[in-house]
Amino acid sequence: EIVLTQSPATLSLSPGERATLSCRASQSVSSYLAWYQQKPGQAPRLLIYDASNRATGIPARFSGSGSGTDFTLTISSLEPEDFAVYYCQQRSNWPPKYTFGQGTKLEIK
Amino acid sequence: QVQLQESGPGLVKPSGTLSLTCAVSGGSISSSNWWSWVRQPPGKGLEWIGEIYHSGSTNYNPSLKSRVTISVDKSKNQFSLKLSSVTAADTAVYYCARGRGGGSSNWFDPWGQGTLVTVSS
Repeated sequence: EIVLTQSPATLSLSPGERATLSCRASQSVSSYLAWYQQKPGQAPRLLIYDASNRATGIPARFSGSGSGTDFTLTISSLEPEDFAVYYCQQRSNWPPKYTFGQGTKLEIK
Repeated sequence: QVQLQESGPGLVKPSGTLSLTCAVSGGSISSSNWWSWVRQPPGKGLEWIGEIYHSGSTNYNPSLKSRVTISVDKSKNQFSLKLSSVTAADTAVYYCARGRGGGSSNWFDPWGQGTLVTVSS
């Protein structure tokens, strides 16, 4: 079973700063990794799929990179609305199963 | 634009069965997508429960497989979740979501708004 480990657990930054969030897989997932943003009381929202493709309507300040076991979500200049929890996700084919990382909370410093 | 909406009882008794339905609007459940249930205990992370294709094919999380049944009703454009023998540990917000991609590349978009189910006597 593939395990996704996100770091840090909490990231404290100020608006305008650059945020770098990490997701590490216990074995290679090629480039098949997605990122989600979740605000309190809301459903997760897709940000990035296939490691680096922005979903429809996602601002260009969000970017994803990586392949194999190490992935990064970067927010180039934080806006007030970006403070939320971020999850990475992958799917294994056998057994068929989706797995999420434990999340990184991005909070205002 | 596809939208998903969960519905069902917000309170279930211990040892009972949790039943939820996800209505799909703005698109057909018979499209080439898998449809999933994901849950999130209060203050915790996301856990995938299982998925269904319009043909009725299913995949379940091995950790929940013995208690989960997901079904589809194409005539109503909806799919449903049943989770049996529930305990307080099953208290969570339950989301339905559309799976996208194919092969090894899979992600969820969109998601329903979620519904809180509490297991308590």
